[in-house]
Amino acid sequence: GDSVTQMEGPVTLSEEAFLTINCTYTATGYPSLFWYVQYPGEGLQLLLKATKADDKGSNKGFEATYRKETTSFHLEKGSVQVSDSAVYFCALRNPNSGGSNYKLTFGKGTLLTVNP
Amino acid sequence: EAQVTQNPRYLITVTGKKLTVTCSQNMNHEYMSWYRQDPGLGLRQIYYSMNVEVTDKGDVPEGYKVSRKEKRNFPLILESPSPNQTSLYFCASSLSGQGVVAYYEQYFGPGTRLTVT
Repeated sequence: GDSVTQMEGPVTLSEEAFLTINCTYTATGYPSLFWYVQYPGEGLQLLLKATKADDKGSNKGFEATYRKETTSFHLEKGSVQVSDSAVYFCALRNPNSGGSNYKLTFGKGTLLTVNP
Repeated sequence: EAQVTQNPRYLITVTGKKLTVTCSQNMNHEYMSWYRQDPGLGLRQIYYSMNVEVTDKGDVPEGYKVSRKEKRNFPLILESPSPNQTSLYFCASSLSGQGVVAYYEQYFGPGTRLTVT
């Protein structure tokens, strides 16, 4: 079945540091890939997405590129802020599995803490 | 404001006492789903619904029931809660579509933290 593996963390950085959170996936066909962010006490929000190979998703200074050859979708940000502290989830949706179910398959999440 | 709401946000209950967690969305979405979030496991799907009166099991449906009598509402029912159902629960909704290109963003509610003693 489909699966997502992401670095588990926690990750602790100083403000303005460079961020990378690795994410790799296993799926048949051509899944869509997503990064969701969960701020403390809140639900999940879509951060960015990519729906085909070589697509780059970007939002709020975060970027991730859909690499089919390495089955990866690593999240990066050039300069993190304290307000970026949150849990980040990599996820996929595979239209080739689950019939009409739009289920998202999630990684386990990575806790990011940014210190001033 | 487009949103998914859940109630209650926090609930502490005892084993065997039936409970319902409500979920409502105001975006006229066809698709709705319930997930549970557990430490070290990420989010796992419990049940989903493609439209009114159409529901199906996700990956971890045991001990849960759902219903979809109205498009906007998708309650999660625990007939006889047990301690292993202590978790953080999220409802999500989206438009529906078919095919590779027909993906729509899933919107998540704020979560319901359930503790079963």
